Order: sequence, then structure tokens, then C-alpha cells
Amino acid sequence: QLVLTQSPSASASLGASVKLTCTLSSGHSSHAIAWHQQQPEKGPRFLMKLNSDGSHTKGDGIPDRFSGSSSGAERYLTISSLRSEDEADYYCQTWGTGSNWVFGGGTKLTVL
Amino acid sequence: EVQLLESGGGLAQPGGSLRLSCVASGFTFSNHAMSWVRQAPGEGLEWVSGISGSGGSTYYADSVKGRFTMSRDNSKNTVYLQMNILRADDTAVYYCASTPGGSYEFDYWGQGILVTISS
Repeated sequence: QLVLTQSPSASASLGASVKLTCTLSSGHSSHAIAWHQQQPEKGPRFLMKLNSDGSHTKGDGIPDRFSGSSSGAERYLTISSLRSEDEADYYCQTWGTGSNWVFGGGTKLTVL
Repeated sequence: EVQLLESGGGLAQPGGSLRLSCVASGFTFSNHAMSWVRQAPGEGLEWVSGISGSGGSTYYADSVKGRFTMSRDNSKNTVYLQMNILRADDTAVYYCASTPGGSYEFDYWGQGILVTISS
């Protein structure tokens, strides 16, 4: 079964960097994923599509501070030079056979 | 500029029905699959339903299969979600989202519409 696992919470200081992790379930380590940001009281926003080789394609207007990388079944989102507006929930998303789409549980990022 | 605008939400009784609409602009609509994604209060995102660009294929999460029907009218750049036999656990903000042709990520999202199921 295709499952995405995320830590429920993360925190980092203003101006620092943070690396969020999304882990694909066993047997699905070659899957691409997408990262989405959801700021408080807003709809989600597409950040990037991240492939298993670490290559990624960002959404419209996503700043260079956001980058992605991959290692095995892990998919990472790194945010550098943290700003207050980066405080948000971050979701990873992928897709399985039969065109079923799957979300991770989300990581709530707190900027200290 | 891509825009997705949902409408049709509101309050319905358990066992009742609602129909959501999502009007798209700013891209070639028929080239994009579309989905509905929901978020219950205080919870994460849950994919609900998807439809191919032509409308010929539809997909549903097990939680709504047999109760919800997704359709689209490419002449109106609109997708619909007919929701029947509604339950309290269908209460959520419903988002429509687009998927670029040849890929599977959700690249644009609407602002969401609240559906509340309560007697």
C-alpha cells in the first residue's frame, strides 16, 4: 500500500534553514512526489514536483529559497533563509496505480 | 493567470445532497485532469475524486465511492462534484485542483468551499 509519512511538526529560527522529510512506503521508492504549502486559513499552494533522482520543477513564483532533494525512499523539502510567512503546514503528495492520489499527514512548521 | 473558483457549498442534512462546481480559467482546460480534495476541520488533506481531461475516466476514494459523482463540461471550463447520501464526516473544506497533462501532481488549487453536514 502506497503511504507517505511525515513528521507532525518541525521548528527553526528566523533566517535559518529547515529540511522537511517525506518517506515513501516500502516498494515505492522510485515514486515522484509533490510538495504543497498551506499557510494558515488559506488553500494549498503547489511548491514543486520532486523526482526520485532529486530533480525538481517548481510552481509559479516559488522562490529559490525552496529546494528539493531525494535519497532512496526519502523526499526532502529544504527552506533556507526562513521568513515568518514560511510558517505553514507542508504536505507531500503522490499518485498510485489506478490514478489514486495520496497525501502525507502534513508537517506543521513553526518559525521561531 | 490560472484561477479555480469553487461554489455550491453550504449546509446540508445527513442523507441529503449538494453539488459543487469549479470554474477554471487561465489554461487549456481540456488538457488537464481535475480533482477534488477535502480537508476536515483541523485535519490534513484527503483526495476525494479525479477526472481525466476528456471526462471519460473518473476515480474515487473508497470513502466516497458510490455516493459522489464527478463530471466536467469542457465547453464551460467547469467540473462538478455531485454529493449524495451525505454524512457528518463529509464536513470539510472542498478544494478543486488541476493536474497538468502527462503528470500527476496538483499544480493549481482553488480557494476552497465549506461543506457542513448537520441536522
